[in-house]
Amino acid sequence: KAGVTQTPRYLIKTRGQQVTLSCSPISGHRSVSWYQQTPGQGLQFLFEYFSETQRNKGNFPGRFSGRQFSNSRSEMNVSTLELGDSALYLCASSLDGQGAAGYTFGSGTRLTVV
Amino acid sequence: GEDVEQSLFLSVREGDSSVINCTYTDSSSTYLYWYKQEPGAGLQLLTYIFSNMDMKQDQRLTVLLNKKDKHLSLRIADTQTGDSAIYFCADSDTGRRALTFGSGTRLQVQP
Repeated sequence: KAGVTQTPRYLIKTRGQQVTLSCSPISGHRSVSWYQQTPGQGLQFLFEYFSETQRNKGNFPGRFSGRQFSNSRSEMNVSTLELGDSALYLCASSLDGQGAAGYTFGSGTRLTVV
Repeated sequence: GEDVEQSLFLSVREGDSSVINCTYTDSSSTYLYWYKQEPGAGLQLLTYIFSNMDMKQDQRLTVLLNKKDKHLSLRIADTQTGDSAIYFCADSDTGRRALTFGSGTRLQVQP
């Protein structure tokens, strides 16, 4: 079956702009979570969605937001981009977010802010 | 808050066994995971263990869990050059619904 699809793979944006990233989970998976990976901070949890509801949020400013659609696809948005937002953004798909069957990650979107 | 720690680097020779160690602090951790990341790629789930288990074996991979000491290890038997990557330990609990990752261990396999 198809894996987790993240688009686009690469993005270059200018400071102050906003960006939207997309994630399509594995068919049948209803939980989508997002992580930011940077060399300095490592992998950090952004938020988790299940059935279109955000159930958990990490410690990130309000410029980071997300949503989930009825088909379980998810988008995350970052507004007023800062240089420090340059990172690999990873999306993880799971059946119910409880972790029993593990989390499957996509290949990520590499965002560069200039 | 929760914390997961790993050593940063491990170098082994091809054919040897590799052991990557991890410690965690959250007593309510339900599952513990090992992920592999190759350059330019996302995270590949290698294996995971439920917190009430001591050991899990999956082909060349053996996971050992010492819940008392909150210590997790991943043993890779007969390590190959294709195993060169960064290995992340992570934990989660059903309430948090999020993974807390270690900083990753870079495994270098010398031919």
